[in-house]
Amino acid sequence: KQEVTQIPAALSVPEGENLVLNCSFTDSAIYNLQWFRQDPGKGLTSLLLIQSSQREQTSGRLNASLDKSSGRSTLYIAASQPGDSATYLCAVRWMDSSYKLIFGSGTRLLVRP
Amino acid sequence: GAGVSQSPSNKVTEKGKDVELRCDPISGHTALYWYRQSLGQGLEFLIYFQGNSAPDKSGLPSDRFSAERTGGSVSTLTIQRTQQEDSAVYLCASPPSFEGSVDTEAFFGQGTRLTVV
Repeated sequence: KQEVTQIPAALSVPEGENLVLNCSFTDSAIYNLQWFRQDPGKGLTSLLLIQSSQREQTSGRLNASLDKSSGRSTLYIAASQPGDSATYLCAVRWMDSSYKLIFGSGTRLLVRP
Repeated sequence: GAGVSQSPSNKVTEKGKDVELRCDPISGHTALYWYRQSLGQGLEFLIYFQGNSAPDKSGLPSDRFSAERTGGSVSTLTIQRTQQEDSAVYLCASPPSFEGSVDTEAFFGQGTRLTVV
């Protein structure tokens, strides 16, 4: 079964820290992987999209890496800010059902001032 | 429109009643998805539309759930005889067409928060 797992489920850090969120997936035959941010009561905001042929993508203070062979992706947030507090979701498209995003259960991040 | 629009944003209904949730996708986007997010959980795939047809409805939890799409645009998710376990946020996404390519990001609406009491 194709599944996406995110750890930790929750994370609390002081402002300014660099942090890493983890995403693992079964079955390395992925098409792409996407990281989203979800604020309470809101929809999803796409952060980074990594194609299966790529190793990483960067946007501002965010860097996402992909290691298909080990079934892992990480989202690195540099110099965290209270405004980064949100739930971060990882989603995978697999080659055999590339129209469908399968989501992890998310990491709830709190950045303390 | 500029983005995916869902209505209502909140819905409280009594157990056993039917509800309809609406999604207005991004204009011109032929693909449309419904997801469900229960409290503290990730997003659970419900159904995928390409145009007006639904090639994959494997995520619909039971026969009380149905969805349709008309004119390749607006979609309605209907839940009949609602149960308390149906309480969740229902999210709609409308990426550009996946025909020939899935190199595109998905675009989500704000969701409908359904509470069954």
